[in-house]
Amino acid sequence: QVQLVQSGAEVKEPGASVKVSCKASGYTFTSYAIHWVRLAPGQRLEWMGWINTGNDNRYYSQKFQGRVTITRDTSASTAYVELTSLSSEDTAVYYCARDPPGGGAFDVWGQGTMVTVSS
Amino acid sequence: DIVMTQSPDSLAVSLGERATINCKSSQSVLYTSNNKNSLAWYQQKPGQPPKLLIYWASTRESGVPDRFSGSGSGTDFTLTISSLQAEDVAVYYCQQYFGTSKTFGQGTKVEI
Repeated sequence: QVQLVQSGAEVKEPGASVKVSCKASGYTFTSYAIHWVRLAPGQRLEWMGWINTGNDNRYYSQKFQGRVTITRDTSASTAYVELTSLSSEDTAVYYCARDPPGGGAFDVWGQGTMVTVSS
Repeated sequence: DIVMTQSPDSLAVSLGERATINCKSSQSVLYTSNNKNSLAWYQQKPGQPPKLLIYWASTRESGVPDRFSGSGSGTDFTLTISSLQAEDVAVYYCQQYFGTSKTFGQGTKVEI
């Protein structure tokens, strides 16, 4: 079945970087964009950016510009998000989500990866 | 970026009663090319990822019960749960996917 499976929980110190993976299965990876969304405690869902898995085009939220990098490995059907210069405000659950061809709502989501930033 | 504002922040509804959630966008999300509104509704339960309920403002995702319905156009949208069930307790988010940045509302917590 169609699914996105993310890597496990991470604990990082302030100033460090984190890289979360999202492995797709059950569909043609390069036919759907992948977005990254996070949910911090007490906050709303926050869109971080997306990657066109077919042509490698990427677009990032201005809030994260310069700190976030989204990549993909088509041979592994996996997308990644890397966030640098972590602070406690980056403590959140990070989700990947699939976006159908032509753009639209996010119809399949990963299970989420908890990232905790603490000294 | 398009700002999405939901109301109310929370609501308590009796079992079997109607729940209505509103969502307002800071600019129109209507694609004139296809006359569709780029507005989605998601349901999120604790410890789970969001689940797509409604897209293009009023199209129900496959498998979603028909007690969930979406309406509205332009900048004002509504999610209605016609007869609340216990399993509908969750946080509901609207999202616009019109712009390059995809923004969410602040969420509405629905309780019994």
